[in-house]
Amino acid sequence: GAGVSQTPSNKVTEKGKYVELRCDPISGHTALYWYRQSLGQGPEFLIYFQGTGAADDSGLPNDRFFAVRPEGSVSTLKIQRTERGDSAVYLCASRTGLAGELFFGEGSRLTVL
Amino acid sequence: EDQVTQSPEALRLQEGESSSLNCSYTVSGLRGLFWYRQDPGKGPEFLFTLYSAGEEKEKERLKATLTKKESFLHITAPKPEDSATYLCAVQSNYGGSQGNLIFGKGTKLSVKP
Repeated sequence: GAGVSQTPSNKVTEKGKYVELRCDPISGHTALYWYRQSLGQGPEFLIYFQGTGAADDSGLPNDRFFAVRPEGSVSTLKIQRTERGDSAVYLCASRTGLAGELFFGEGSRLTVL
Repeated sequence: EDQVTQSPEALRLQEGESSSLNCSYTVSGLRGLFWYRQDPGKGPEFLFTLYSAGEEKEKERLKATLTKKESFLHITAPKPEDSATYLCAVQSNYGGSQGNLIFGKGTKLSVKP
């Protein structure tokens, strides 16, 4: 596609449930990033991939969060045993390497009741 | 620790009233400083990248400048459609987090007709 695509755009779930968020980056972009943005805050780094491997996962808040990119294109962010504090907009971004601008998707808004 | 501080948090202008947004940063070797625009419910949209002190870039009514400690986003004769949150981010040349962007909290700009 022309831009970064994220699905679902909105997800409402109950506390304790499992959630998957999907990101389809711009074709040919080798680097893929996940950020989390709470209301009134800037994007907070979670993890980034260079190809299939996670190059830096230092932003993942705890072991309930996990992300994969098995074929070096689409990525899935997985959240186990969701908590109300996980409610936020999860942004995905991609770029051709480790320099230059990041192109962001529209985000997946997660609400944990 | 790499850090980005943006001021003011919010800015209200009349149409045509020029002003500047500030981004102060601390980074262990600047690889790049980025400005993004974010509209409500949307992902950040890339505006500029600056790489070295003294560099300036312009786009329509926006001009970004960079020193060794801060960057300014100057808005000349703003229009209501310039209303948005403006985000600043830095990327470091060093350390384990050199692949990712560290964002500030943003400045919410409102331009009244």
